[in-house]
Amino acid sequence: GAVVSQHPSWVICKSGTSVKIECRSLDFQATTMFWYRQFPKQSLMLMATSNEGSKATYEQGVEKDKFLINHASLTLSTLTVTSAHPEDSSFYICSALLTSGKEQFFGPGTRLTVL
Amino acid sequence: KQEVTQIPAALSVPEGENLVLNCSFTDSAIYNLQWFRQDPGKGLTSLLLIQSSQREQTSGRLNASLDKSSGRSTLYIAASQPGDSATYLCAVPGGTSYGKLTFGQGTILTVHP
Repeated sequence: GAVVSQHPSWVICKSGTSVKIECRSLDFQATTMFWYRQFPKQSLMLMATSNEGSKATYEQGVEKDKFLINHASLTLSTLTVTSAHPEDSSFYICSALLTSGKEQFFGPGTRLTVL
Repeated sequence: KQEVTQIPAALSVPEGENLVLNCSFTDSAIYNLQWFRQDPGKGLTSLLLIQSSQREQTSGRLNASLDKSSGRSTLYIAASQPGDSATYLCAVPGGTSYGKLTFGQGTILTVHP
C-alpha cells in the first residue's frame, strides 16, 4: 500500500522559533497533499491543501504567513510553523492524494510542543 | 457545508461482542466515505473506503455500509478483540474533489478482556 512519512515525529521548541515538518510520499507521486492539525481529544481539522508547483490553498481562519507550505516536488511537502507559540502546540498530520484522486493516505503525524 | 457526526462518542464492550459504529453526514453528494483507525498519539490507518456507487465493503472482521440517500454509514466490527481498542473516525470528501476530507469527531472504542 501507499506509504506516507513525516519527519520529525515529535519536536519541542522554544516560543518564537520556527519549526519545519516534512511530509513525503515514499512509493508514489502526489501532486496534492493536505495538512491537518489535531488538538487533544478532538478530530482532524484541515489546514491547507498543498499543490505541487503552486501556492497552497488555506482554509478559513488559518494564517498563511504563520503556516508556510512548500510543495517543491511530487513526493515532498513541508509545513513551517513560523514564530511558534504555545497555542500552536498540536498534532500535525499530512496526507497525500493518489494521482487517481480517489484516495489519500496519511502520515504518522508530528507532535509539536512549544514551550 | 458538510458536517459529519459519529455516534456513540465512546463505547466500552467486553471482548467477543459484535458492535456497530455510526456515522452520518449532512450533504449526500459525496464521492466516497472512508473509515479510519487512530491509536493514541499516532496517525491514521485507513480501514475501509466505500465508493459512492457501493453499498458496502468488507475487510476481515470489519464491514462498512453506506446509504447515501439517508446520509449514513455504519462500521460493523465482529468478534471484537482488545487490540481493536482505538478511536474510529469516518470522513467524507468535501466539495467537488476527492480531497479535503471532513472528519467526524470519532468513536473511542475500548474492548476489555
